[in-house]
Amino acid sequence: NAGVTQTPKFQVLKTGQSMTLQCAQDMNHEYMSWYRQDPGMGLRLIHYSVGAGITDQGEVPNGYNVSRSTTEDFPLRLLSAAPSQTSVYFCASSYSRTNTGELFFGEGSRLTVL
Amino acid sequence: AQSVAQPEDQVNVAEGNPLTVKCTYSVSGNPYLFWYVQYPNRGLQFLLKYITGDNLVKGSYGFEAEFNKSQTSFHLKKPSALVSDSALYFCAVRDGGGGGNKLTFGTGTQLKVEL
Repeated sequence: NAGVTQTPKFQVLKTGQSMTLQCAQDMNHEYMSWYRQDPGMGLRLIHYSVGAGITDQGEVPNGYNVSRSTTEDFPLRLLSAAPSQTSVYFCASSYSRTNTGELFFGEGSRLTVL
Repeated sequence: AQSVAQPEDQVNVAEGNPLTVKCTYSVSGNPYLFWYVQYPNRGLQFLLKYITGDNLVKGSYGFEAEFNKSQTSFHLKKPSALVSDSALYFCAVRDGGGGGNKLTFGTGTQLKVEL
């Protein structure tokens, strides 16, 4: 059972480039989300989805785009990368949007924008 | 709005001694509270949660947490620390009244257990 899989694990971009961070889960979870982790700031929610075809903004959505065409996949797109987007990105999922259970996290994607 | 405060950036404790990692929270409704642990270069792993019921919650690896409604706290504890407990610990909260499964995380507390 793979759980939550993120790719790539590491990426270096130049300012202005675009890229997509991939996230896939094989647990049939309805809820999926993206967080970024920065030193001294903990984890901050970027975007989330309560099911296929439904997405919404979190705390820090600017500069990021998401879509949810299937239950399994929730890619995060950076349209024009900026140095402020240098961070570690985590995808997380859970069984249901109203669930009281825990989030399952991927291993993270470390992004550096030069 | 919901928020979490972890007042200590780092906690140092000797192996075998009890440990406490502090967390206070703020939500408008009933709180759902969580603790997660992060080892270097890994994702977060769930430790325990409080939804309702007993104020003392037991979780993985011998950890427990005490919910205190009057003090709006949810401190993580372990009676006897191990060197292998050294990691980054995050407290998280969501409003039980709705809003999906959006967790708000604290800034994290680095736990260092020394021999």
